[in-house]
Amino acid sequence: DAGVIQSPRHEVTEMGQEVTLRCKPISGHDYLFWYRQTMMRGLELLIYFNNNVPIDDSGMPEDRFSAKMPNASFSTLKIQPSEPRDSAVYFCASSLGWNRGYGYTFGSGTRLTVV
Amino acid sequence: GQQVMQIPQYQHVQEGEDFTTYCNSSTTLSNIQWYKQRPGGHPVFLIQLVKSGEVKKQKRLTFQFGEAKKNSSLHITATQTTDVGTYFCAGLPGSSYKLIFGSGTRLLVRP
Repeated sequence: DAGVIQSPRHEVTEMGQEVTLRCKPISGHDYLFWYRQTMMRGLELLIYFNNNVPIDDSGMPEDRFSAKMPNASFSTLKIQPSEPRDSAVYFCASSLGWNRGYGYTFGSGTRLTVV
Repeated sequence: GQQVMQIPQYQHVQEGEDFTTYCNSSTTLSNIQWYKQRPGGHPVFLIQLVKSGEVKKQKRLTFQFGEAKKNSSLHITATQTTDVGTYFCAGLPGSSYKLIFGSGTRLLVRP
């Protein structure tokens, strides 16, 4: 199993540009999560999906952020327009579910720098 | 809102010494998970505790879940340089999948 795959690994963009982060979860995992990690705020849950349906997006910072999961093998997190304060490492994670004894498997992350 | 506090923030130990990190939640948790993140890496799942008072061991690592299901600890016996990294606890309130991460404890080990 290749694990959770995220792309790109690094993204540098100018303020005001649109940024799209991509994630391929582990096959068969029915939960998908987007987290953001910064020194100041640590690991924050942005949104999570169950069977491709968004369940809780209360962590999404503002309307500039949107996430989609068009099918079980692909999800995107979009920031439009991007701002310097969006600079962070964005992780995607997937899981079979804690009630079945499984933790969350994280991807390698996308390091986003907005200049 | 829901908070998971973790102490200490940093711990610098001599190789062979023991290490403990503590985690406290503002509310009762359905379960608690522990993750390790190496510098420049991503969080890696270590273990999950579900039952009140539960204790689990993985080689030199011992994990505990408090009786009230609001606190937890990770103890490493005889640290090695391979233990270097940041250890996070993460709690799940109720039946939600909204895993709330603690601030992490960064462990440095002097060889």
